[in-house]
Amino acid sequence: GDSVTQMEGPVTLSEEAFLTINCTYTATGYPSLFWYVQYPGEGLQLLLKATKADDKGSNKGFEATYRKETTSFHLEKGSVQVSDSAVYFCALTPRGNNDMRFGAGTRLTVKP
Amino acid sequence: GAVVSQHPSWVICKSGTSVKIECRSLDFQATTMFWYRQFPKQSLMLMATSNEGSKATYEQGVEKDKFLINHASLTLSTLTVTSAHPEDSSFYICSAPGGSRHPYEQYFGPGTRLTVT
Repeated sequence: GDSVTQMEGPVTLSEEAFLTINCTYTATGYPSLFWYVQYPGEGLQLLLKATKADDKGSNKGFEATYRKETTSFHLEKGSVQVSDSAVYFCALTPRGNNDMRFGAGTRLTVKP
Repeated sequence: GAVVSQHPSWVICKSGTSVKIECRSLDFQATTMFWYRQFPKQSLMLMATSNEGSKATYEQGVEKDKFLINHASLTLSTLTVTSAHPEDSSFYICSAPGGSRHPYEQYFGPGTRLTVT
């Protein structure tokens, strides 16, 4: 079945460092792809999304591009802040389906 | 944007008792809602799909007699953990699809932390 594999971490960076969290997917057809963020003690918040190949989702300085040729949706940010410390989940929904599949989550800690 | 609420946000109960968690879509209707469970430092695991007006669909390995789901209206789904035990302690999260305006997207509730003593 459709699934998502993401870099598990944990990832620890210094403030202003460059961030990449890898995410690859397996799917029949063309799923929609998402990155969600979960801050400590809170629920999931949608960070960004892309619904078709070559789409780039962006929000709060984070970006991810839907790459069909490499079945990837890597999350990047040029300069992280302490407030970006959270757990990041890559997810997909198969085409024609609302059943969302999550990656394992990557815990990011940004140190001042 | 669409808002999904959950109540309570946290609950502590004694072993053997039952606990009901509510999930509401506040400004939109949801014929389908999803219930997830999240263990500490782990990903979300889909437990079941709640369907308005019909029985819930449970994922493999989830006990439907233990986790009772009722989708009473187009804006409310409830999850009842019956005869709770310490191993049921977890973070329970619900979500609702974005509908025709945002297909394949889901809106998540803030979660309910259940601790069974």
